Amino acid sequence: NAGVTQTPKFQVLKTGQSMTLQCAQDMNHEYMSWYRQDPGMGLRLIHYSVGAGITDQGEVPNGYNVSRSTTEDFPLRLLSAAPSQTSVYFCASRLFGVGDTEAFFGQGTRLTVV
Amino acid sequence: GEDVEQSLFLSVREGDSSVINCTYTDSSSTYLYWYKQEPGAGLQLLTYIFSNMDMKQDQRLTVLLNKKDKHLSLRIADTQTGDSAIYFCAESLNDMRFGAGTRLTVKP
Repeated sequence: NAGVTQTPKFQVLKTGQSMTLQCAQDMNHEYMSWYRQDPGMGLRLIHYSVGAGITDQGEVPNGYNVSRSTTEDFPLRLLSAAPSQTSVYFCASRLFGVGDTEAFFGQGTRLTVV
Repeated sequence: GEDVEQSLFLSVREGDSSVINCTYTDSSSTYLYWYKQEPGAGLQLLTYIFSNMDMKQDQRLTVLLNKKDKHLSLRIADTQTGDSAIYFCAESLNDMRFGAGTRLTVKP
């Protein structure tokens, strides 16, 4: 039972490079989301999806793209990395439309942009 | 700015009780959560409370909800060194909004 799997765990990028953070879940959850965690700011929602083919912006979407072609996968793309995107990124999934559902988190991706 | 607010640090002695406080702004939230994050790990659900409840107890954990004041608290009885972590409260509507997290340090 893998839960939510994020890859890679660590990444260093140069300013202007692009990359994709992968997220996969095997729990058949409709709802998936990406957060970034910065010191003293908690988790801020970047993008979320309530099902395959449906995505929406969260609190801090600029500089990030997402797609949801399958229920299982929800990749996060950085088109042109900037030092301000240095952060720890978490992917989460849960059932949607059922109130008392636990959100399951991946282990995180620590991204450094130099 | 955040919709969910928490103090950033709390330090207690082993065996004492810890109380972590949280305020939220959206009265439509139906569920409120407490998550724990240990170093280098993701978040794990500790407990949650439905908005029509005012208290929930689960072993050493007690959650109190004051819906009128939009105030949520987590009390950990007999705090142990293994409880040292960052604790996040979160409110849930269509998405989940987190506070900044309270770093709990337990001193022996």
